[in-house]
Amino acid sequence: GAVVSQHPSWVICKSGTSVKIECRSLDFQATTMFWYRQFPKQSLMLMATSNEGSKATYEQGVEKDKFLINHASLTLSTLTVTSAHPEDSSFYICSTTQGGGYNEQFFGPGTRLTVL
Amino acid sequence: GQNIDQPTEMTATEGAIVQINCTYQTSGFNGLFWYQQHAGEAPTFLSYNVLDGLEEKGRFSSFLSRSKGYSYLLLKELQMKDSASYLCAPMDSNYQLIWGAGTKLIIKP
Repeated sequence: GAVVSQHPSWVICKSGTSVKIECRSLDFQATTMFWYRQFPKQSLMLMATSNEGSKATYEQGVEKDKFLINHASLTLSTLTVTSAHPEDSSFYICSTTQGGGYNEQFFGPGTRLTVL
Repeated sequence: GQNIDQPTEMTATEGAIVQINCTYQTSGFNGLFWYQQHAGEAPTFLSYNVLDGLEEKGRFSSFLSRSKGYSYLLLKELQMKDSASYLCAPMDSNYQLIWGAGTKLIIKP
């Protein structure tokens, strides 16, 4: 299956700062990448779908000005949490598919963000 | 609306068999995935069913009944490392995965 990496694995930051999370597909070209957030003991929540070279599609309730997504190449998508606050502390996971109707999603290892 | 129903938590004994049930309602259907998620880690793929019936893969099997909106994951010869959450995720007509909270499986010696 496809290999997806994320960086950093975990980050602790002060309230008000911005944090960038990188998601890379290592062995194939990812036209589409998905960004999820998961709070403890809750389900994965899709935040947005990013397509290479175009604007991301955000899910209802997700602030696009706060969660900036850039998908400038076929192997890299970034999520920037701007002016982070303690309530943004969560597990952020990216995933991608290899396309076609099967659409198995391959997940990155996730980034645990803690905002103090 | 779209909905997934799985037990919140199950407990089983090492070496035994456990069946995790999932019922779902989606807008359209393009198959159903089962993922395993260990605490603090991202989900990993276990199985995919798009036709009715049983798919067997080693110790894990997955069953689907589209008419009943029902699936189950069967785990045999349980090992301690199988302690994890198991996520049932049907795919809707837009090829988007619908995620529930999953079933936390606790394996006891």
